[in-house]
Amino acid sequence: AQTVTQSQPEMSVQEAETVTLSCTYDTSESDYYLFWYKQPPSRQMILVIRQEAYKQQNATENRFSVNFQKAAKSFSLKISDSQLGDAAMYFCASYNFGNEKLTFGTGTRLTIIP
Amino acid sequence: SQTIHQWPATLVQPVGSPLSLECTVEGTSNPNLYWYRQAAGRGLQLLFYSVGIGQISSEVPQNLSASRPQDRQFILSSKKLLLSDSGFYLCAWSALYEQYFGPGTRLTVT
Repeated sequence: AQTVTQSQPEMSVQEAETVTLSCTYDTSESDYYLFWYKQPPSRQMILVIRQEAYKQQNATENRFSVNFQKAAKSFSLKISDSQLGDAAMYFCASYNFGNEKLTFGTGTRLTIIP
Repeated sequence: SQTIHQWPATLVQPVGSPLSLECTVEGTSNPNLYWYRQAAGRGLQLLFYSVGIGQISSEVPQNLSASRPQDRQFILSSKKLLLSDSGFYLCAWSALYEQYFGPGTRLTVT
């Protein structure tokens, strides 16, 4: 079974600064995908970034980037130049090819301080 | 482009009443479909998923059920709601490995 752990229930960052959200996972699969989802106050889940486990290069999407450490089973999200619109719950998730399911962490609530 | 719809957006139902939540997807064929529940301040719990019409897999035994009468339609039902069924219900679709979520339904059981 896959597990995803987010050890930071809440984080805060000053506007325009950089923040890193932590995530660790455990899987017996050799091939898997990892995701970060954002859930703003509207509660719609929005896909932020994806990382394929077979790729060594860290994924980036504009101000969002990941630090993927496969051996350590760590998958952190870095948000640069934080903006007020980045305030949300952030969920880390892993995708299991065997059963086509996503396993979610418990989330980190990110607050942006103006 | 693909879109996913859920309705109703909010629902308040008394204990013991029936439930029907609907999810439809546009712009794709034969998607995998998922129902999740999110309790207040918690993560997402997978309830059901479907890989095709009439094919439903249940993740958590409870008084909820799901059906997929058409390729792009996924329905979550209950014959008698419990207080513990309150929460935010999200439908999602996937074609490969990325899941895309609908706007959700906030259910309050009173």
